[in-house]
Amino acid sequence: EAGVVQSPRYKIIEKKQPVAFWCNPISGHNTLYWYLQNLGQGPELLIRYENEEAVDDSQLPKDRFSAERLKGVDSTLKIQPAELGDSAVYLCASSPGLASDEQYFGPGTRLTVT
Amino acid sequence: AQKITQTQPGMFVQEKEAVTLDCTYDTSDQSYGLFWYKQPSSGEMIFLIYQGSYDEQNATEGRYSLNFQKARKSANLVISASQLGDSAMYFCAMRERRGASTLTFGKGTMLLVSP
Repeated sequence: EAGVVQSPRYKIIEKKQPVAFWCNPISGHNTLYWYLQNLGQGPELLIRYENEEAVDDSQLPKDRFSAERLKGVDSTLKIQPAELGDSAVYLCASSPGLASDEQYFGPGTRLTVT
Repeated sequence: AQKITQTQPGMFVQEKEAVTLDCTYDTSDQSYGLFWYKQPSSGEMIFLIYQGSYDEQNATEGRYSLNFQKARKSANLVISASQLGDSAMYFCAMRERRGASTLTFGKGTMLLVSP
């Protein structure tokens, strides 16, 4: 069974530029999460989807961040414009549903903003 | 107040020895779950072990066991017979009932296993 796929693995951009990250969850997983992981910290939730609905986006900085999960499968996280402080690892995870405890993580996208 | 506290920024252990990674948590929920994840240098978070708040026995998964002390609100990870491949960051996380399936992570502990 394929795991959570994320691309790109690494991205370097200049500040004020836009950037997008893509995530393909494990097949059949209804719940999808985007996490932000700063250096030396644990992951922090940005947004959670149940199918195509964003059910928890309270920690998403909506002035510059946006996300979508069309058709309830793949998801895209976008930052526009990027700031220096956005340099971090962006992790995507999925789980089968609300009743499931375990989240399966992708390898993450390491973003560097210069 | 932090919900998950990992007080050990780094730990060293020799190969084949056992090591305990500390985790304390804070919640007012009666129903919650505690998780440990491993994050090697490749970046992927790998699920290790889960303990439910109502589970009476400590969880075990191969060389991993969770020392769950509910009254002390601690959920320490014990790795027996350490291997070189165990060198990684280890994160403790909690799922509270109020937060549905959202996980709250600690800051992690870096474990280095030496030959």
